[in-house]
Amino acid sequence: DVKVTQSSRYLVKRTGEKVFLECVQDMDHENMFWYRQDPGLGLRLIYFSYDVKMKEKGDIPEGYSVSREKKERFSLILESASTNQTSMYLCASNSYPNEQFFGPGTRLTVL
Amino acid sequence: QQQVKQSPQSLIVQKGGISIINCAYENTAFDYFPWYQQFPGKGPALLIAIRPDVSEKKEGRFTISFNKSAKQFSLHIMDSQPGDSATYFCAASDSINGGATNKLIFGTGTLLAVQP
Repeated sequence: DVKVTQSSRYLVKRTGEKVFLECVQDMDHENMFWYRQDPGLGLRLIYFSYDVKMKEKGDIPEGYSVSREKKERFSLILESASTNQTSMYLCASNSYPNEQFFGPGTRLTVL
Repeated sequence: QQQVKQSPQSLIVQKGGISIINCAYENTAFDYFPWYQQFPGKGPALLIAIRPDVSEKKEGRFTISFNKSAKQFSLHIMDSQPGDSATYFCAASDSINGGATNKLIFGTGTLLAVQP
């Protein structure tokens, strides 16, 4: 069974904190993605990576950075969390041209 | 031009009825159109997908209808069941300009409730 896991299901942080969201896939996929999901806005791509140490900005990269040091792991970093980053964060992976597999999501609340 | 517009935002259907969700796009380079299904507390999962060389694809009770000239595609759920209650997302990608990642552009989602 293919699997994408995310480090936390729920996370509460304070404004200004540095936040790390971790994603691990066990399918040996080349590509990994970070999305945020907000009601009425659907899934919006933050960053993606097509190889180790390679990354590209998605549609809403501002306020975020990413790290991919190993093929199976893709981290999303909020350098200084703000309240407008309160959202559901979804990680996905795929091996082109196949479907994307999603993790269960991390619901982040920034107070 | 990169948007995928999805409607309705929410939908209530009686058990046994037909659920229809519509999506429209502008980018004629899009060549892959998947639908994802998301249950509460879970990540989205691929339900069914179509490429523009066919006008319809059916898998069980789920059918995608694709109209290339109108740049529209829709999901039909026949004999809708309470277990189909979920959020549905349409998406599109461009395999040529999108690079080797199959990067998807998602619609805004439709919350479907099937009443018993």
